[in-house]
Amino acid sequence: NAGVTQTPKFQVLKTGQSMTLQCAQDMNHNSMYWYRQDPGMGLRLIYYSASEGTTDKGEVPNGYNVSRLNKREFSLRLESAAPSQTSVYFCASSDRGLSYEQYFGPGTRLTVT
Amino acid sequence: KQEVTQIPAALSVPEGENLVLNCSFTDSAIYNLQWFRQDPGKGLTSLLLIQSSQREQTSGRLNASLDKSSGRSTLYIAASQPGDSATYLCAVRPGSARQLTFGSGTQLTVLP
Repeated sequence: NAGVTQTPKFQVLKTGQSMTLQCAQDMNHNSMYWYRQDPGMGLRLIYYSASEGTTDKGEVPNGYNVSRLNKREFSLRLESAAPSQTSVYFCASSDRGLSYEQYFGPGTRLTVT
Repeated sequence: KQEVTQIPAALSVPEGENLVLNCSFTDSAIYNLQWFRQDPGKGLTSLLLIQSSQREQTSGRLNASLDKSSGRSTLYIAASQPGDSATYLCAVRPGSARQLTFGSGTQLTVLP
């Protein structure tokens, strides 16, 4: 099992450019999440998907869109990147059981200049 | 709004010492609490998950406790080793929500 995988690992964008961050999990989890991590601010939830076909906003959704392509894949799109979106982005997934223990991918380090 | 605080932000100890990391949260109506480890430039690795009905969980040299009524959790690391050096994050799952609210972490350095 690869667990949660993310591509790319690193990306540099110019202000105004767009890109899509990809995430896939092979644990047959129903729920998937996108977080961003910034120094001194911990991880903050951008969007999540409780199940295939549903998505909901988290704490910091502005400037992002998501697509739950199927049960395995959950992508995050930046339509017009801004320097404030420079961050490390983590995808996570969780099971349907009582614990909803979350498993994280290795992250994408994004710099917007 | 749930807030999670971890103090201290950084901690340095000599190898072999037993240590305690602290996590506090403002709303005691949580479903569970999860402790993670994050190595520099890496993702998060789940260490322990405590359900709201549990008082503690153990895995090897790690023991996590939960006092929901006072809004506190501690992560106890026995006989610390240089390989334990990392940032430790706690996160709570509020009520029936699936998403987690994270603290800012404690950066631990274990000196050989």
